[in-house]
Amino acid sequence: DVQMIQSPSSLSASLGDIVTMTCQASQGTSINLNWFQQKPGKAPKLLIYGASNLEDGVPSRFSGSRYGTDFTLTISSLEDEDMATYFCLQHSYLPWTFGGGTKLEIK
Amino acid sequence: EVQLQQSGPELEKPGASVKISCKASGYSFTGYNMNWVKQSNGKSLEWIGNIDPYYGGTSYNQKFKGKATLTVDKSSSTAYMQLKSLTSEDSAVYYCARWSHYYGVDYWGQGTTLTVSS
Repeated sequence: DVQMIQSPSSLSASLGDIVTMTCQASQGTSINLNWFQQKPGKAPKLLIYGASNLEDGVPSRFSGSRYGTDFTLTISSLEDEDMATYFCLQHSYLPWTFGGGTKLEIK
Repeated sequence: EVQLQQSGPELEKPGASVKISCKASGYSFTGYNMNWVKQSNGKSLEWIGNIDPYYGGTSYNQKFKGKATLTVDKSSSTAYMQLKSLTSEDSAVYYCARWSHYYGVDYWGQGTTLTVSS
């Protein structure tokens, strides 16, 4: 199975900060990747598709990038509503696999 | 508007089976694979498998083979997941989620909480 190693598992940052989190794939040369935001008691919400494409309606402060098998989600200027847990998902290789999640807290 | 409406919370005894439904609306049901995802302890997510509603073909995570069975009813645009031989390890929130070739997993149901307890 392709393991998606997500880091950090938790993160505390201040409003206006730049925040980054990563998912590293254990293998695979052609990984298709989603990033999701999940708030407590809610379903995940799609933020990024194809590793770097912003879903319609998602604020432009969110961005995704890829370097080889390393994938990064960046929030350019942290806002209060961004407090949530973030997950990556690779849906290229069966079984599809999720990162372990990054819980983002506001200082 | 795409919506995936799941059935309500379930409380089952160990050894029982349960069938969770996911009714789709706002798009062509047979045009998109439906996935099922398990979320345990409010954090870790596991992909259970998916089904092609048009042909009925399925793919399963090896971990859930023998545990989960995915089916659809095209006439009602509803996907189903049956879980059998329940144990406490099956207690979790289960989501259905639509997959698009271009966007990936783009829409999720609201989740169904399953509690397995004697």
